[in-house]
Amino acid sequence: GNSVTQMEGPVTLSEEAFLTINCTYTATGYPSLFWYVQYPGEGLQLLLKATKADDKGSNKGFEATYRKETTSFHLEKGSVQVSDSAVYFCALSGSDTGNQFYFGTGTSLTVIP
Amino acid sequence: DAGVIQSPRHEVTEMGQEVTLRCKPISGHNSLFWYRQTMMRGLELLIYFNNNVPIDDSGMPEDRFSAKMPNASFSTLKIQPSEPRDSAVYFCASSFGDRANTEAFFGQGTRLTVV
Repeated sequence: GNSVTQMEGPVTLSEEAFLTINCTYTATGYPSLFWYVQYPGEGLQLLLKATKADDKGSNKGFEATYRKETTSFHLEKGSVQVSDSAVYFCALSGSDTGNQFYFGTGTSLTVIP
Repeated sequence: DAGVIQSPRHEVTEMGQEVTLRCKPISGHNSLFWYRQTMMRGLELLIYFNNNVPIDDSGMPEDRFSAKMPNASFSTLKIQPSEPRDSAVYFCASSFGDRANTEAFFGQGTRLTVV
């Protein structure tokens, strides 16, 4: 079946710290992988995506690399800011999922000054 | 495009009342999803439409919930009768379901409170 597993939160970091949020997946076929971000009181927004093995998605200083051998798509940022405080969701979708989206449980990040 | 539009943004209703949530997907998108988000259960898929046809409604909690998509530009999620445990944020999302590697676009959500 298809599923996404994210590291449990909440995560609290000081400003300018390095961020890693782990994400692993189980899928039939070759899905696309996504990271979404949800700011308080808002809907989910696409942060970045990767569509095939070894692709790196990047946006706003965040990066994630599609690792087929480890079935992972870990989110990283070299220096977090207070404005990065949000909930982050890993997700997968593709033709083998019937184009449905499978989301992880979300990881809450708080960045303190 | 204005994005996925949901209404109302907030709804407070009394237990037993009927509630209707509305969604206008992005023009041209042919897949539409309804999700429910709570602290306890996280983000749950309720139902998924493709080309206005329900493809997977296995996430609909019970018969009190129903969803329709009468045309490509409008969908509703109805709860009748509503109960306090239905209190949650309900999101609608849409995508180009027949294109590979496409993302889903989410609305701002409807925060439902049943008292």
